Amino acid sequence: AQKVTQAQTEISVVEKEDVTLDCVYETRDTTYYLFWYKQPPSGELVFLIRRNSFDEQNEISGRYSWNFQKSTSSFNFTITASQVVDSAVYFCALSEADSSASKIIFGSGTRLSIRP
Amino acid sequence: DSGVTQTPKHLITATGQRVTLRCSPRSGDLSVYWYQQSLDQGLQFLIQYYNGEERAKGNILERFSAQQFPDLHSELNLSSLELGDSALYFCASSEQGSYNSPLHFGNGTRLTVT
Repeated sequence: AQKVTQAQTEISVVEKEDVTLDCVYETRDTTYYLFWYKQPPSGELVFLIRRNSFDEQNEISGRYSWNFQKSTSSFNFTITASQVVDSAVYFCALSEADSSASKIIFGSGTRLSIRP
Repeated sequence: DSGVTQTPKHLITATGQRVTLRCSPRSGDLSVYWYQQSLDQGLQFLIQYYNGEERAKGNILERFSAQQFPDLHSELNLSSLELGDSALYFCASSEQGSYNSPLHFGNGTRLTVT
């Protein structure tokens, strides 16, 4: 069965600090995708990134970077030089290739607060 | 703007009542998903449709039902409402509904059952 764990319920840092959000997943499938979504205070869910199980290259997009490690079943998200606008709930999600269950399962989310 | 439209934004109703939530997917997307977000349960997958057909089912109660119409919009019907059904209901869409497709979410419908 697929499962996503975000052990950090809430994180609070001061602006300009770096912060890493952890995501650990469980799956029996060898083919899957991992996703990160952001839910700002306004409530909508915004897609940030996806990574397939065969691509362990880290990715950097501006201040955002993602570290995928199959050996530890983790897909962590780092924000460098955090800003107040980064305050949001961040969700990690997993989707397996099993065509009978093409649903995306979300972790419980990490609420990130950036203090000015 | 994700391109996914959900109506209404807010809904307040009484226990025992029935409501219908509506979703229009992004242009070109064939698949629609429904999720329920509550404080204690997080984001729970309810159901997925692809081009009018049910594709996957999650933790959807028997009191809830959904459908996707020929024009690809979808409706989620919630009946015999209970206080515990109060939540934010999200609709999302994706192009092909496959496991590698990112979801594009609407702004949600906040349901309050009193």
